[in-house]
Amino acid sequence: QKEVEQNSGPLSVPEGAIASLNCTYSDRGSQSFFWYRQYSGKSPELIMFIYSNGDKEDGRFTAQLNKASQYVSLLIRDSQPSDSATYLCAVGGSYNTDKLIFGTGTRLQVFP
Amino acid sequence: GAGVSQSPSNKVTEKGKDVELRCDPISGHTALYWYRQSLGQGLEFLIYFQGNSAPDKSGLPSDRFSAERTGGSVSTLTIQRTQQEDSAVYLCASSTTGHLGSYEQYFGPGTRLTVT
Repeated sequence: QKEVEQNSGPLSVPEGAIASLNCTYSDRGSQSFFWYRQYSGKSPELIMFIYSNGDKEDGRFTAQLNKASQYVSLLIRDSQPSDSATYLCAVGGSYNTDKLIFGTGTRLQVFP
Repeated sequence: GAGVSQSPSNKVTEKGKDVELRCDPISGHTALYWYRQSLGQGLEFLIYFQGNSAPDKSGLPSDRFSAERTGGSVSTLTIQRTQQEDSAVYLCASSTTGHLGSYEQYFGPGTRLTVT
């Protein structure tokens, strides 16, 4: 069983729509959760992090965390073609490690 | 401030040669990570340094791979006797640490290694 799972996609949404990206994780002790955006040929770029249950909003991005369901999601409102990229979910484990476990990513395509 | 830097940005080498890849983390970041990403694949963890602690080498794929971090800052990843399957983008990341354990990692631009 993979430790962090994401649908590989592609997830195709029209410009202006809400894109919803989902991630599940297996370690119930996980304390920190991150979303990275990776454009083709580029390195991952941190866009959101969340530590507490609930929602965290930053501009057009909202991260949602539900520790009971071991589920974290990223919503992108008013999607733009420039949002087309692969989105990586990363999960931090227990208190005694700094390592993150990365999912394999979901490819998002926003079409005009 | 400056982000994570890596050099070289591209490296082409012949099979069997040794290569060294360099990473300069964000100033003040105590944790440094190396990952590998093959074309179209996810991130593969290689090795992790935290302060003066012994590195976590659990992701190194073979004994041809080694890494060191001098003075708690710059790190070098060395691949000996390179093989074609070593061709990938090697990414370095750094982070601060704190009571939550895992803090956000910031990635460098990567080194694209091609073994011919």
